[in-house]
Amino acid sequence: GENVEQHPSTLSVQEGDSAVIKCTYSDSASNYFPWYKQELGKRPQLIIDIRSNVGEKKDQRIAVTLNKTAKHFSLHITETQPEDSAVYFCAASSYIPTFGRGTSLIVHP
Amino acid sequence: DAGVIQSPRHEVTEMGQEVTLRCKPISGHNSLFWYRQTMMRGLELLIYFNNNVPIDDSGMPEDRFSAKMPNASFSTLKIQPSEPRDSAVYFCASNRDRMNTEAFFGQGTRLTVV
Repeated sequence: GENVEQHPSTLSVQEGDSAVIKCTYSDSASNYFPWYKQELGKRPQLIIDIRSNVGEKKDQRIAVTLNKTAKHFSLHITETQPEDSAVYFCAASSYIPTFGRGTSLIVHP
Repeated sequence: DAGVIQSPRHEVTEMGQEVTLRCKPISGHNSLFWYRQTMMRGLELLIYFNNNVPIDDSGMPEDRFSAKMPNASFSTLKIQPSEPRDSAVYFCASNRDRMNTEAFFGQGTRLTVV
């Protein structure tokens, strides 16, 4: 089955800095890569996704990149704000989303 | 649509008791997933249904766990007998049939087994 590794497990930044979270996956059949944000006590919610026919996608302050050859993808958040503080999960999917362990992002004002 | 609806939101039970968690997926979604979230193991897939049929239950930890989907609008996850190590947040999620689209999560059930 699919195995998704996510790093780092914790990321602490100052407001305004950039944050980068990296994931690798094992199953070459995976072709959909969503990223979810989970605030404390809430459900995971999709913030951005990318499909295997695209190398990069951007939505305002967040961007994702995908390298299918190397089987890795990354989330980039620029100009971080305190409200970006949450746990972020990457996932890889052919039809069943397999999640990474999560990254706890802390943005200090 | 109200989204994926789970009940109860919180459940506290004694070891050895039966626990039933409930999920109503979004109307029109053919795929349903049950996940368990713990600090140690993150979000683990327990079982995946497609068109009400269990397709992959390899994540179900042991025979104490069972899941059903009697129709397109309802699924249950049952633990019998429950144990303290089953304490976790259980999420149900749904999406459209194998189209690799966003999986929408319910609010989760926080289960505590004492």
